[in-house]
Amino acid sequence: DTGVSQDPRHKITKRGQNVTFRCDPISEHNRLYWYRQTLGQGPEFLTYFQNEAQLEKSRLLSDRFSAERPKGSFSTLEIQRTEQGDSAMYLCASSLGGLQPQHFGDGTRLSIL
Amino acid sequence: QQPVQSPQAVILREGEDAVINCSSSKALYSVHWYRQKHGEAPVFLMILLKGGEQKGHDKISASFNEKKQQSSLYLTASQLSYSGTYFCGTERGSQGNLIFGKGTKLSVKP
Repeated sequence: DTGVSQDPRHKITKRGQNVTFRCDPISEHNRLYWYRQTLGQGPEFLTYFQNEAQLEKSRLLSDRFSAERPKGSFSTLEIQRTEQGDSAMYLCASSLGGLQPQHFGDGTRLSIL
Repeated sequence: QQPVQSPQAVILREGEDAVINCSSSKALYSVHWYRQKHGEAPVFLMILLKGGEQKGHDKISASFNEKKQQSSLYLTASQLSYSGTYFCGTERGSQGNLIFGKGTKLSVKP
């Protein structure tokens, strides 16, 4: 069990640029979740996958955000035309299923200049 | 609807007890508890399902009052390692898309 891995750990970019983050879940976990966390707040749900199917996407999620999990293993989260308000820690978590512990990665910290 | 946690912060001496509450205005299916230390990922503590069960491991336990839509996390004989921010995550179904509270910052002093 190598844990949930996220890459990169930090990303600094200029406003308007596109960014992509990667998450490698624990290998036997079929659920994968994306959250966003800002300072002093709890993680905010963005979207989740059951294997390769994206089952839910937060209504708060702008259409600039898109996520994929093409083969049911790793996932990518892309943000297009980044804005200042996108600055946050982006967390990925995986689990064996619903009502199971979610194991979080260390996150990708995004800073928008 | 984001659950409400109380208190927002608490400072303890080693060996003291604490209770952290998590309340929702909506009917809940489950409550998940996590602890996050500064600069680290949230770490799972426990899940409670509707039915009013109580769970615990070591000196940390929790309860879920379905009628009140409230969960409480109990930390007894606190240790320095208990310091961190505690989050409750709630869900109204069983999909696992959690809505987290704003957290309770716990500081344990020697």
